[in-house]
Amino acid sequence: EPEVTQTPSHQVTQMGQEVILRCVPISNHLYFYWYRQILGQKVEFLVSFYNNEISEKSEIFDDQFSVERPDGSNFTLKIRSTKLEDSAMYFCASRENTIYFGEGSWLTVV
Amino acid sequence: DAKTTQPPSMDCAEGRAANLPCNHSTISGNEYVYWYRQIHSQGPQYIIHGLKNNETNEMASLIITEDRKSSTLILPHATLRDTAVYYCIVRPSLYNQGGKLIFGQGTELSVKP
Repeated sequence: EPEVTQTPSHQVTQMGQEVILRCVPISNHLYFYWYRQILGQKVEFLVSFYNNEISEKSEIFDDQFSVERPDGSNFTLKIRSTKLEDSAMYFCASRENTIYFGEGSWLTVV
Repeated sequence: DAKTTQPPSMDCAEGRAANLPCNHSTISGNEYVYWYRQIHSQGPQYIIHGLKNNETNEMASLIITEDRKSSTLILPHATLRDTAVYYCIVRPSLYNQGGKLIFGQGTELSVKP
C-alpha cells in the first residue's frame, strides 16, 4: 500500500538553527499538508500546498516557516531559526480524495 | 474550530464491539463525517468516512443518524492494537478542494484484556 514517508524520524537541534523536514508524498497525490503536534496536545494544521504554491496556512505558520517542492517528488518544511516551542512532532500528509499521513518527524529544540 | 463533540475516553473489552459516538449537530448538507485514529503519537490513520448512508470497510463501520446530527464508529471485534485516540472530523468533501482536516481532542479508547 502506498504511503507517505518522512525523514528524519527524529532530529535534535540547537535553538536558532535551521531545520529542514522532508516528506515524500504518495506519488499520484496533488495536495500536500504539514501538521504538527506538541507533546500531549492535539494535531494542528500548519499549511496546505497545491500546484506549487501555498493554498492555505494557519496562524502558526509564520515567517519562520516555509514549504517547498524542490524536485517534483519531495515536499519540505523549513524552520529558519528554531525556538524551544517548535519542539513537536511534525506530520506530512498528502491526498487525492482522502488525506493520508506520514509517521512524523520528532523535532527537539534544545 | 472542531465542529464535533466526543467523549474524552472510553474502555472496551478485547473481542467486544467498540462503539464510539460523535455529535455533529451543526453539520451542513455538503459535509462528510471522517474518522481517523492515532496510535501512540504515530501519524493519524484514516479509518472511514460517510455522508448520509452507513458505511463499512475492512476496519470499521460508520452509522450516521437520519438527521445526520450524530454518528457512531463501530470496531466490531476490538483488539489491544485498537487502543488509540479516535477523531471524528466534519468537513466538506475533499475531492478537488484544497481543504484541511481540523482535529479536536478525540476519544481515547482503551481496549482491555
